[in-house]
Amino acid sequence: EELLVESGGDLVQPGGSLRLSCAASGFTFSIYWMDWVRQAPGKGLEWVANIKEDGSQKNYVDSVKGRFTISRDNVKKSLYLQMNDLRAEDTAVYFCARNLMRASCLWGQGILVTVSS
Amino acid sequence: QSVLTQPPSASGTPGQRVTISCSGSTSNIGGNTVSWFHQLPGTAPKLLIYSNNQRPSGVPDRFSGSKSGTSASLAISGLQSEDESDYYCATWDGSLNVVVFGGGTKLTVL
Repeated sequence: EELLVESGGDLVQPGGSLRLSCAASGFTFSIYWMDWVRQAPGKGLEWVANIKEDGSQKNYVDSVKGRFTISRDNVKKSLYLQMNDLRAEDTAVYFCARNLMRASCLWGQGILVTVSS
Repeated sequence: QSVLTQPPSASGTPGQRVTISCSGSTSNIGGNTVSWFHQLPGTAPKLLIYSNNQRPSGVPDRFSGSKSGTSASLAISGLQSEDESDYYCATWDGSLNVVVFGGGTKLTVL
């Protein structure tokens, strides 16, 4: 079975850091673009970042540029999101997704990040 | 304020056909393909339509997508109670170099 499982979500104070992980299983992780998408409580979907198959290309939404870093380890079949200088508006459920807008799209179940003092 | 504009709500009765619109611009919908996702509360989104009008395996042919110029639409025919969900359009924006989502449409089956 093809699976994406996020981990690392937590309650963190404003200005703090957190690293999210997304473990892939059941498919060849290294041949897909990977994305992070988030959803604030009661709000719609917001794309955060994506990374090319070999990690050579990364894109970010403006609101996280300079604070968040997307990375991947194709040997460990894992995707990461390093989040620094967290703000209250970063509070959301974070989803990792494979090939977001292609037939082979696959989503994780999501992980909650809460930024609050 | 989302880059792609969707109506916040839509409704229909069982068996009806409903459409959900998604309006953008030349930098996003006008120059790239559109995908549609649906999401039940508390669950992850799922892909419904990709490349404007293609259905992934397992998606019923009651769901169809179309695109014209800078707008796209999702049509659901033979509406069923289990279609009650939130629906989102998405595409790449070549000017912003980001993926953009619509604000979402909550579909109610009356």
